[in-house]
Amino acid sequence: AQSVTQPDIHITVSEGASLELRCNYSYGATPYLFWYVQSPGQGLQLLLKYFSGDTLVQGIKGFEAEFKRSQSSFNLRKPSVHWSDAAEYFCAVANTNAGKSTFGDGTTLTVKP
Amino acid sequence: GAVVSQHPSRVICKSGTSVKIECRSLDFQATTMFWYRQFPKKSLMLMATSNEGSKATYEQGVEKDKFLINHASLTLSTLTVTSAHPEDSSFYICSACPSALVYEQYFGPGTRLTVT
Repeated sequence: AQSVTQPDIHITVSEGASLELRCNYSYGATPYLFWYVQSPGQGLQLLLKYFSGDTLVQGIKGFEAEFKRSQSSFNLRKPSVHWSDAAEYFCAVANTNAGKSTFGDGTTLTVKP
Repeated sequence: GAVVSQHPSRVICKSGTSVKIECRSLDFQATTMFWYRQFPKKSLMLMATSNEGSKATYEQGVEKDKFLINHASLTLSTLTVTSAHPEDSSFYICSACPSALVYEQYFGPGTRLTVT
């Protein structure tokens, strides 16, 4: 069975500082991986995805993520955080046969002025 | 592109009544739609997979007679919470998948259901 672990429940960074959100997955085949962002009371917005190819993927809003098969990780990074980045971030892995995704428990990002 | 809407965004109903939530893909066709439930400070819990033209597939522990799903067309799926109880109060989110990419989901903005 597939699973996703986001080890950090809550992260606080200062505006302008760099950010890394961790994600570890478990999946028997080549994973399809996603990062989503959710603002309070809203749905999820896709930040970026990895299906194959270059292991460093670029997304919207200046985010990037790196797929590391050897570490079963897909960490999200941003070089300089903005106050508007404060939100909930979810990592997900898709079952390519059934299409269903499994989500991590999320990481809450707080940005200090 | 890839916009998904949900209606209503918020609904308050009394115990024992039924509530219908609509999920629409506005600019693409969606053979598959998913319905999730999200508790406060929690991740998304998949409730069911909705396929156009066939019965929905429910996850283990989700009562299909309580949460009725109808995927009427390639752009519309509905979730009806029947005989609602306060414990059904939650944030319900749908997602829709472009026909050719079933694992790439686009999410609706969610519906906040409060049962009094």
